[in-house]
Amino acid sequence: DIQMTQSPSSLSASVGDRVTITCRTSQSISSYLNWYQQKPGKAPKLLIYAASSLQSGVPSRFSGSGSGTDYTLSISSLQPEDFATYYCQQSYDTPYSFGQGTKLEIK
Amino acid sequence: QVTLKESGPALVKPTQTLTLTCTFSGFSLSTIGMRVSWIRQPPDKALEWLARIDWDDDKFYSTSLKTRLTISKDTSKNQVVLTMTNMDPVDTATYYCARELWGFDYWGQGTLVTVSS
Repeated sequence: DIQMTQSPSSLSASVGDRVTITCRTSQSISSYLNWYQQKPGKAPKLLIYAASSLQSGVPSRFSGSGSGTDYTLSISSLQPEDFATYYCQQSYDTPYSFGQGTKLEIK
Repeated sequence: QVTLKESGPALVKPTQTLTLTCTFSGFSLSTIGMRVSWIRQPPDKALEWLARIDWDDDKFYSTSLKTRLTISKDTSKNQVVLTMTNMDPVDTATYYCARELWGFDYWGQGTLVTVSS
């Protein structure tokens, strides 16, 4: 099974800041890496698929990069609605796996 | 418009079998490349992938839960069913179904299942 290591587990930032979340996998997943945003009481929302492709309707301040075993999600200028929990997920092979999440909080 | 909705019991007793149904619209699970997964999330914890069924009826399961899970589909009814045997309090979670093309692009609202005697 592919293990996911997501960091940091929590992050405090201010509106307008740029933040980066990282995800490392236990083996190469050839960019089959997706990022989700989840707000309390809601289902996750797909932000980025295939490491760097922006899902339709997602603001361009969200971007993804990476290859092999190391991936990042960046938010260029935090907006109030971006404070949420973020998860990475590999779809390279089953069983699929998610990272442990990064809770982004307002400083 | 793609929608998915989970249904099933809100409360099950330990050792019972849980049956959840995902009813969807706006796409067909007979379309080549289409997949539907079940994912769960215990309260205040991370997401956990459980199982997937594909348009060609291929099925895949979580390694740790595969002996307890069965996934099936009824293409004519636009439904995917997940059964989980021998439920335990640690299985208390919100259970989601989600469509997958590139990533899980559509999710149901989730259904909270509590395991308690």
